[in-house]
Amino acid sequence: VQLVESGGGLVQPGGSLTLSCEASGFIFGDNDMHWVRQGPGRGLEWVAGIAWEGVKTGYGDSVTGRFTISRDNAKNFLFLQMNSLRPEDTALYFCARGQSKVLVSWGQGIPVTVSS
Amino acid sequence: IQLTQSPSFLSANVGDTVTITCRASQGIGYYLAWYQQRPGKAPKLVFDAASPFQSGVSSRFSGSGSGTEFSLTISSLQPEDFAIYYCQQHSIYPVTFGPGTKIEIK
Repeated sequence: VQLVESGGGLVQPGGSLTLSCEASGFIFGDNDMHWVRQGPGRGLEWVAGIAWEGVKTGYGDSVTGRFTISRDNAKNFLFLQMNSLRPEDTALYFCARGQSKVLVSWGQGIPVTVSS
Repeated sequence: IQLTQSPSFLSANVGDTVTITCRASQGIGYYLAWYQQRPGKAPKLVFDAASPFQSGVSSRFSGSGSGTEFSLTISSLQPEDFAIYYCQQHSIYPVTFGPGTKIEIK
């Protein structure tokens, strides 16, 4: 199983960014997928999850209405569209494969910095 | 659903057996998982109360509990076990994590 995140970087407050996660080594379309983040020196915060079929989604309270999770099962990609970014969104963002909502495999993470 | 963990910090020796606990603000059945995070690394699943027999996880990790009270026991601590441990409820969205328990070498 391999999960490789990309698309992170520096963005100004109020800006947008889209993260991608390329999956391999398992049947992507059979698994729920999730994004989890970790702010500098902080604990884990679940951001969003999407069911295997791409219809049912869930979001953490701090990102609801600003972030959108989606997936492309044909290309084995998971996405996180992040809008109206705030400094408190600065974190290392992990892509994770789920057995439902249990996070059984993780990527190495991609940093996102929101700063002017 | 909010999760609390205790202790927040634990100092132990190699070879010790330690137990950390997680409490949920409401009943979650058996939908509680534990993750280990070593410095600079991604988290790793070490126990799921709903599915206790995960492949690739050391048998030194065991868990118990249901409803609102859960525990993770690590027997015969090894150097690689010194890390931060997070509990996670996966009963309902939004998924939530506990604040973590850091286990350090005494």
